Amino acid sequence: EPEVTQTPSHQVTQMGQEVILRCVPISNHLYFYWYRQILGQKVEFLVSFYNNEISEKSEIFDDQFSVERPDGSNFTLKIRSTKLEDSAMYFCASSRDSSGANVLTFGAGSRLTVL
Amino acid sequence: AQSVSQHNHHVILSEAASLELGCNYSYGGTVNLFWYVQYPGQHLQLLLKYFSGDPLVKGIKGFEAEFIKSKFSFNLRKPSVQWSDTAEYFCAVTRNDYKLSFGAGTTVTVRA
Repeated sequence: EPEVTQTPSHQVTQMGQEVILRCVPISNHLYFYWYRQILGQKVEFLVSFYNNEISEKSEIFDDQFSVERPDGSNFTLKIRSTKLEDSAMYFCASSRDSSGANVLTFGAGSRLTVL
Repeated sequence: AQSVSQHNHHVILSEAASLELGCNYSYGGTVNLFWYVQYPGQHLQLLLKYFSGDPLVKGIKGFEAEFIKSKFSFNLRKPSVQWSDTAEYFCAVTRNDYKLSFGAGTTVTVRA
């Protein structure tokens, strides 16, 4: 069964450092997403990406965040200058289309710890 | 704003016991409903989904869920749990877009 893969599984960084989380979506999927889950809180939508541009982003996704699809397979989330409150599990997901009837396939998550 | 409530934060039960996890949502229009499961150290996996039709949906691993529109509920059930069902369970809702709204999750611990 096709999978969404994420790297690294866990990253520890110092406050103020840049972090890049990587994702390889399912190959025939066209829509890509990032969600995050702060420990003890709900999984929250961050951003969606289609056709090499952001299609929607949440309030959480401020100027410190950016996404990119640098090649045909990777989808990255960059945090420019990490803050303590960025510590969370970040989930990448992909789907074939953007309707709610389509199912998102999630990756295993990347745990980010900001010290 | 649409919200999703899961009634239990942590459920502990013995093998062979029956499981029911509650999920209520606040949005009154047409919704698509999902239950995801996250086993320790693994990714979010889809257990089952409801889009339309029969409100009783069957998913993988013996799970089922019932959509009750009048109660805005989508409760998850399994008649007899196994130790391997130990996981965190998330209810999620979306209208006809891709932004899933998740519940807070319920941790299920099954004791052998």
